[in-house]
Amino acid sequence: GEDVEQSLFLSVREGDSSVINCTYTDSSSTYLYWYKQEPGAGLQLLTYIFSNMDMKQDQRLTVLLNKKDKHLSLRIADTQTGDSAIYFCAERTGTASKLTFGTGTRLQVTL
Amino acid sequence: NAGVTQTPKFRVLKTGQSMTLLCAQDMNHEYMYWYRQDPGMGLRLIHYSVGEGTTAKGEVPDGYNVSRLKKQNFLLGLESAAPSQTSVYFCASSYRTGLNTFGSGTRLTVV
Repeated sequence: GEDVEQSLFLSVREGDSSVINCTYTDSSSTYLYWYKQEPGAGLQLLTYIFSNMDMKQDQRLTVLLNKKDKHLSLRIADTQTGDSAIYFCAERTGTASKLTFGTGTRLQVTL
Repeated sequence: NAGVTQTPKFRVLKTGQSMTLLCAQDMNHEYMYWYRQDPGMGLRLIHYSVGEGTTAKGEVPDGYNVSRLKKQNFLLGLESAAPSQTSVYFCASSYRTGLNTFGSGTRLTVV
């Protein structure tokens, strides 16, 4: 079955790096995604990685994928107060591009 | 370039009332989805559609119906609202890549 797990909360100081972790269970996942949700808003796609990749970097964002352990992480370098939000990982499996989401990690950035 | 538009943004219903949530996208996406978001549970897929005139059940379809009469619109109906349907509802659309674009959500309260 499909199950995606994340820790609920992470607090970091401004300027530090943040690492948000995610584990998934479906080995047939083709794409894995990171979405950001700010208060009162919808989900915004941050980045994604194809299952045959180990790493993807996009400016301050680095995604690492360990397919053997079914572990996905999102590293945000030089975390800013504007990065405070809920971060969801999601996996795409099967047909129709359906996504299974994790429960979300709330990132709090302190001064 | 509106993206995905959901109406209404807020609604309060009494138990047993019915209503329809409207989702409209202007990106010519084939796939459309309805999710609900509840605290601590991430997003769960209610129903989805892979094209005009087609719909399918997601993870939590009970108590909801959908229709996709036009490619750009996806309607979510509640025939007899229950307090358990109090939630934030998100519509999304995508090409076959699974890069979902989300609407800003509808906050529904059933009293």
